[in-house]
Amino acid sequence: SQQGEEDPQALSIQEGENATMNCSYKTSINNLQWYRQNSGRGLVHLILIRSNEREKHSGRLRVTLDTSKKSSSLLITASRAADTASYFCATVLYTGTASKLTFGTGTRLQVTL
Amino acid sequence: DTGVSQDPRHKITKRGQNVTFRCDPISEHNRLYWYRQTLGQGPEFLTYFQNEAQLEKSRLLSDRFSAERPKGSFSTLEIQRTEQGDSAMYLCASSSAPKNTEAFFGQGTRLTVV
Repeated sequence: SQQGEEDPQALSIQEGENATMNCSYKTSINNLQWYRQNSGRGLVHLILIRSNEREKHSGRLRVTLDTSKKSSSLLITASRAADTASYFCATVLYTGTASKLTFGTGTRLQVTL
Repeated sequence: DTGVSQDPRHKITKRGQNVTFRCDPISEHNRLYWYRQTLGQGPEFLTYFQNEAQLEKSRLLSDRFSAERPKGSFSTLEIQRTEQGDSAMYLCASSSAPKNTEAFFGQGTRLTVV
């Protein structure tokens, strides 16, 4: 079963606008990661935020994490048509030797010219 | 570094046939994961290896599914007596030992059972 849920399920914006995606999860975590997936392709890692961090930046990406609310958000600023993809959050909880990624349901982002 | 490689990229098989997929992880990565993804959904965890040891297996994985990672390098995922419900994208990922590291995904194998 999947750990989290992304909100919204689909988002359509114009180039240059900001896109915000939210992720909620259910259990404790050690870190939370965001991935991008272009249609029919594999996933590409975007950014990782540890459970003791509240905010992280990477280029046009900004991620926040609120462990008290079990939620995270991904902000893409000044969006481009090339940002069109599905975005997934994934949580990691270390349990002994296991450290699997548990993915949410994803947000499909469409950036139009 | 050629990244994570999966073979084949596409597989069409008749119901009841067996299929085997291969994953070659990034060479220095000791962790290897298999996921299954259906259209419009996020990847679902199937199984996880650390070196050659299979440390976790999802309850989604029926007895028809088996995965191996001999010698802790490449891995194979076999599905016996395929069913139409097995049609999906099968994704492999690898990561290195330290905690708080990202996973690198292959392009996936798309399985269609007809």
